[in-house]
Amino acid sequence: RKEVEQDPGPFNVPEGATVAFNCTYSNSASQSFFWYRQDCRKEPKLLMSVYSSGNEDGRFTAQLNRASQYISLLIRDSKLSDSATYLCVVNRMGLRAAGNKLTFGGGTRVLVKP
Amino acid sequence: GAVVSQHPSRVICKSGTSVKIECRSLDFQATTMFWYRQFPKQSLMLMATSNEGSKATYEQGVEKDKFLINHASLTLSTLTVTSAHPEDSSFYICSARMERVGNYGYTFGSGTRLTVV
Repeated sequence: RKEVEQDPGPFNVPEGATVAFNCTYSNSASQSFFWYRQDCRKEPKLLMSVYSSGNEDGRFTAQLNRASQYISLLIRDSKLSDSATYLCVVNRMGLRAAGNKLTFGGGTRVLVKP
Repeated sequence: GAVVSQHPSRVICKSGTSVKIECRSLDFQATTMFWYRQFPKQSLMLMATSNEGSKATYEQGVEKDKFLINHASLTLSTLTVTSAHPEDSSFYICSARMERVGNYGYTFGSGTRLTVV
């Protein structure tokens, strides 16, 4: 079983619609969670960190469910520019701990269409 | 914001030759850098963790003699793919962990697309 799993998609989303997808992680000791966005042939860029209480950044809302070991990302009012691959990233150790490293999910591809 | 500069962005080399990829942290010191590889339609796979002034830590299945990592200063880490073969063709990305007070994020280089012919 992969440590971080995502539905690869693609999620075909009409412009202006809402899309949501999850990511599951297997290590219950995981401490830090992130959503990264990766455009085709580019490096990943941090979209947002995911906090225990859930957090929102503009049209993006992230949730963490530790009991079920998943995180989610919801995108409201989708824009064409939201088309990308969204990577779920988990850090097993606290961010400040020496030796920590990120584990990436396989990514969920989102295609927003006019 | 913190910037990691990675060069070259794209390289084509002949089978059997070696290729060096550089990763520099431009406005912060990075005692730890990470090297990833990404094959088409797959996620980033960590290859090794580069530690300034000491040997790199390689992930299981990654040949340390083939992928040489040097982290001689707090702002520069290099990955050398030795005796490259077509199966080494991939997207290589470095990442640096910022360790300034109050900021422990990760930032990525722009990646190097290696094609071995």
